Amino acid sequence: DTAVSQTPKYLVTQMGNDKSIKCEQNLGHDTMYWYKQDSKKFLKIMFSYNNKELIINETVPNRFSPKSPDKAHLNLHINSLELGDSAVYFCASSQDSRGLETQYFGPGTRLLVL
Amino acid sequence: GQQVMQIPQYQHVQEGEDFTTYCNSSTTLSNIQWYKQRPGGHPVFLIQLVKSGEVKKQKRLTFQFGEAKKNSSLHITATQTTDVGTYFCAGGRSSNTGKLIFGQGTTLQVKP
Repeated sequence: DTAVSQTPKYLVTQMGNDKSIKCEQNLGHDTMYWYKQDSKKFLKIMFSYNNKELIINETVPNRFSPKSPDKAHLNLHINSLELGDSAVYFCASSQDSRGLETQYFGPGTRLLVL
Repeated sequence: GQQVMQIPQYQHVQEGEDFTTYCNSSTTLSNIQWYKQRPGGHPVFLIQLVKSGEVKKQKRLTFQFGEAKKNSSLHITATQTTDVGTYFCAGGRSSNTGKLIFGQGTTLQVKP
């Protein structure tokens, strides 16, 4: 059984389009995260939710909007996609938000904006 | 802001040689975690260090947390081709957000 799953795995789209990525975890964790990994493999935290409440909101363009309908799901909607948004987006989850727990990463969504 | 620097960025070794990656933080950390990402894969948790001066071993991997809790290292003895991947350190500070600051990663290539 997949612990943290993301859809889609690959996303190729044109500049200016709007797209969503979905994430689900079946670990019963309270905290979920979105990370962006660029072509140089740098992993940067974007957002984090704890029990559906936004607790980390890094300096990210407001074209990116996360939504957590329940604590097992965290989605990411991106408006007006730009070339620089091309990256791998990882969802992750952890037991709680203390920062002392293992983070479990999903398989990633490879986004290519043309 | 808090930064975690990791060196080297890349390392090519011959199978059987040792490998070390180093992590340095600009601020004192409450804990440090290490993750491994295989090519095309996702980061997978390896270990967490919490105590000052802590040393932990996992088979051929040795992890250290500095006395000042500002630096850490991962040493692999006698590398194997299965060790190929990118190794990330991630530092945490006591907070209620769970935020980890990831280093830039060290990509290890092992020549058979």
